[in-house]
Amino acid sequence: EIVLTQSPEFLSVTPNEKVTITCRASQSVGSSLHWYQQKPGQSPKLLIKYGTQSLSGVPSRFSGSGSGTDFTLTINSLEVEDAATYFCHQTSGLHTFGQGTRLEIK
Amino acid sequence: QLQLQESGPGLVKPSETLSLTCTVSGGSIRSSNNYWAWVRQPPGKGLQWIATIYYSGTTYYNPSLESRVTISVDTSKNQFSLRLRSLTAADTAVYYCASPKYDFWSNYYLGYIENWGQGTLVTVSS
Repeated sequence: EIVLTQSPEFLSVTPNEKVTITCRASQSVGSSLHWYQQKPGQSPKLLIKYGTQSLSGVPSRFSGSGSGTDFTLTINSLEVEDAATYFCHQTSGLHTFGQGTRLEIK
Repeated sequence: QLQLQESGPGLVKPSETLSLTCTVSGGSIRSSNNYWAWVRQPPGKGLQWIATIYYSGTTYYNPSLESRVTISVDTSKNQFSLRLRSLTAADTAVYYCASPKYDFWSNYYLGYIENWGQGTLVTVSS
């Protein structure tokens, strides 16, 4: 099983700041790493696919980078509505998810 | 727009079997570009993939749950289902149905999930 480890597990940030969340895989997943946002009581929402590919309708302040074992989700100019938990997800092997990063807006 | 809706009991007793169904609308479960999956999330915790199926019947299971899980598809009803046996309190979770993407023409499993159900909370308790 490919284990995904996210860091940090919790972030408290003020609006307009930049946020960086990392996801490290226990073995290479190539580019098969995706990012989701989940707000309380809601289903996950796909933000970034294949490490770097943006989705239609996702604000441009969300971006992804990385390949192999190390990936990053960046949120530029944080907005209040970005308060959520963020998960990474690999599909190189059988599906696994990171444990999540909870983002709080100060 | 593809929509998925879970249905099933909200409360199940320990040692019993959970049966959940996901109804697909806005598209066909026979779509060549979609797989169908179950993912769960214990309260306050992260996501755990359970199983995936293609309309042809090809299945994949999480090894940690495989001995207790069956996923199936009913193309006549545009539904797919999950059965989870020998329940314990550790199986208490929100269960989501979801649709991982597949590129039929290149025969490549993309795997990312754009379409999710709203989730259904299943509590295992006597």
